[in-house]
Amino acid sequence: QKEVEQDPGPLSVPEGAIVSLNCTYSNSAFQYFMWYRQYSRKGPELLMYTYSSGNKEDGRFTAQVDKSSKYISLFIRDSQPSDSATYLCAMRDTGNQFYFGTGTSLTVIP
Amino acid sequence: DAGVIQSPRHEVTEMGQEVTLRCKPISGHDYLFWYRQTMMRGLELLIYFNNNVPIDDSGMPEDRFSAKMPNASFSTLKIQPSEPRDSAVYFCASSPTYNEQFFGPGTRLTVL
Repeated sequence: QKEVEQDPGPLSVPEGAIVSLNCTYSNSAFQYFMWYRQYSRKGPELLMYTYSSGNKEDGRFTAQVDKSSKYISLFIRDSQPSDSATYLCAMRDTGNQFYFGTGTSLTVIP
Repeated sequence: DAGVIQSPRHEVTEMGQEVTLRCKPISGHDYLFWYRQTMMRGLELLIYFNNNVPIDDSGMPEDRFSAKMPNASFSTLKIQPSEPRDSAVYFCASSPTYNEQFFGPGTRLTVL
């Protein structure tokens, strides 16, 4: 079993839709949770990170962490064509190791 | 700031050859990371440095891989000898705080 599981998609939504991206994990030692956006043939770009259960909001993006269920989500409101990218979840354990999901490919159709 | 700079952007080489990937981190960042990304395995951390010192190289797949950081503005990842299974995109990232990582554009390596 992988440390981090992420549905690869692809996910296709109309412009303006609410997008929900999810990851599950198995290691209770994970403390920090991050979401990256990666455009085609570019490096990942950090969108948000959090270390506690609950919600964190930044503009159209909301990161949600449920440690009891070992489940994290990223919500994108009012999705735009420019949001079309691959979204990677990432987690860091107490030993400072990072674990990345394999990414979910998102296309927002105008 | 120009961001993290990596060179070359593309590298095609033959099996058995030595490959050297280069990275210039963002000035002032104390942490530097090397990652490898493939379709099958996703993004994997190979090694990271703090203040030019290698801290954790447990992700380096084999002795054929080595990384150095001779000063705060330059790092290399070397593969010798290269094999077809090393074909991947290699990313360098730097960070002021460890968690908040800024990635470079990557080097796409193809080993024939």
